[in-house]
Amino acid sequence: EVQLVESGGGLVQPGGSLRLSCSASGFSFSTYAMHWVRQAPGKGLEYVSAISSDGHSTYYADSVTGRFTISRDNSKNTLYLQMSSLRAEDTAVYYCVRRFGAYDHWGQGTLVTVSS
Amino acid sequence: EIVMTQSPATLSLSPGERATLSCRASQSVSSNLAWYQQKPGQAPRLLIYGASTRATGIPARFSGSGSGTEFTLTISSLQSEDFAVYYCQQYNSRFTFGPGTKVDI
Repeated sequence: EVQLVESGGGLVQPGGSLRLSCSASGFSFSTYAMHWVRQAPGKGLEYVSAISSDGHSTYYADSVTGRFTISRDNSKNTLYLQMSSLRAEDTAVYYCVRRFGAYDHWGQGTLVTVSS
Repeated sequence: EIVMTQSPATLSLSPGERATLSCRASQSVSSNLAWYQQKPGQAPRLLIYGASTRATGIPARFSGSGSGTEFTLTISSLQSEDFAVYYCQQYNSRFTFGPGTKVDI
């Protein structure tokens, strides 16, 4: 069974940093592109970042470019999102998703709250 | 950036009724269109990909159609568990979601 389990969310002050992790199991992690998608409270879904299966190519939404860094460790079956210079508008549930064309598997999400 | 729009914003129906949800792209996305269902407090779940292919385990009452810029998700006979928010997403050029359609009782 495919499982994606996010961790690392929490309360952080504006301007602060946080690193999210996503532990994957039940599939060959190193053969899939992986993405982060977020959802602000009561709002819709927003693509955040993507990384190729080998980790060599990364992509970002304009809203997070220069502040967020996506990475992966295929030996540990883990996806990361390093977030810095956080803003109130980054407050959201962050989902780790597996991409196979569309997003065929989602984690349960981890809440990031940016507030003083 | 490709902008996705969905209509209506809210669809109020009764169990057993047919639901028709629309999704429009600002430019052609070919058939690179997916539909997701999200219930309160849960992660989204993939329903349809490639505009018309049901994902694994999705009941046959869910069907998708369309290509290019106009797409439709149809739920042939609403069950109680189908009342949720539905999002379309294009993955032809980067990835963008529509604002969602809430299907409620």
